[in-house]
Amino acid sequence: DAMVIQNPRYQVTQFGKPVTLSCSQTLNHNVMYWYQQKSSQAPKLLFHYYDKDFNNEADTPDNFQSRRPNTSFCFLDIRSPGLGDAAMYLCATSRPQGWGPKEDTQYFGPGTRLTVL
Amino acid sequence: GQNIDQPTEMTATEGAIVQINCTYQTSGFNGLFWYQQHAGEAPTFLSYNVLDGLEEKGRFSSFLSRSKGYSYLLLKELQMKDSASYLCAPKVDAGNMLTFGGGTRLMVKP
Repeated sequence: DAMVIQNPRYQVTQFGKPVTLSCSQTLNHNVMYWYQQKSSQAPKLLFHYYDKDFNNEADTPDNFQSRRPNTSFCFLDIRSPGLGDAAMYLCATSRPQGWGPKEDTQYFGPGTRLTVL
Repeated sequence: GQNIDQPTEMTATEGAIVQINCTYQTSGFNGLFWYQQHAGEAPTFLSYNVLDGLEEKGRFSSFLSRSKGYSYLLLKELQMKDSASYLCAPKVDAGNMLTFGGGTRLMVKP
């Protein structure tokens, strides 16, 4: 089945120790997104890729970086995690806008829950 | 800027009908999504409205009024498994970006 996969599902890191979260997709979608969701809050968009074009949200901290080496994979790097970065990190994919209402839907992976000690 | 309002929590009884409202003010608008999110899991797609009116899909229906900046999600014949958060997400004109509301946590009781 075509899907969005995130690894690991649970990640524990230490304060200040760099961590990388990964996302892969078999949907062959052009657009990939990273969201941060804290407890009882809405998902907040960090950045997205349209193919290889990187788009950063204005309020995304510099501590967060991303890489997309190919269509299928996208990585979220947190260079120096702080206690406030503990959250669920969601990866999503979609086709480019303009394919039609159904194709505009974003499909989410299961998320990686990050704990910072 | 973007402003999305939906109730924080709702409670309903198994077998009943519940309506979750969402009002929005966005700098551009090109459709509205509803997602369901169970605790600790990823959001899953429920519905998408781009034109005014009601879209029905099984037990779930979604309504949109673009002129009023208003949408609702209607859940019929509630089941215990419908206990989840329901996220209203308008799509802005700039690309395929979604802005999520804070979500409405629905608790279905026996």
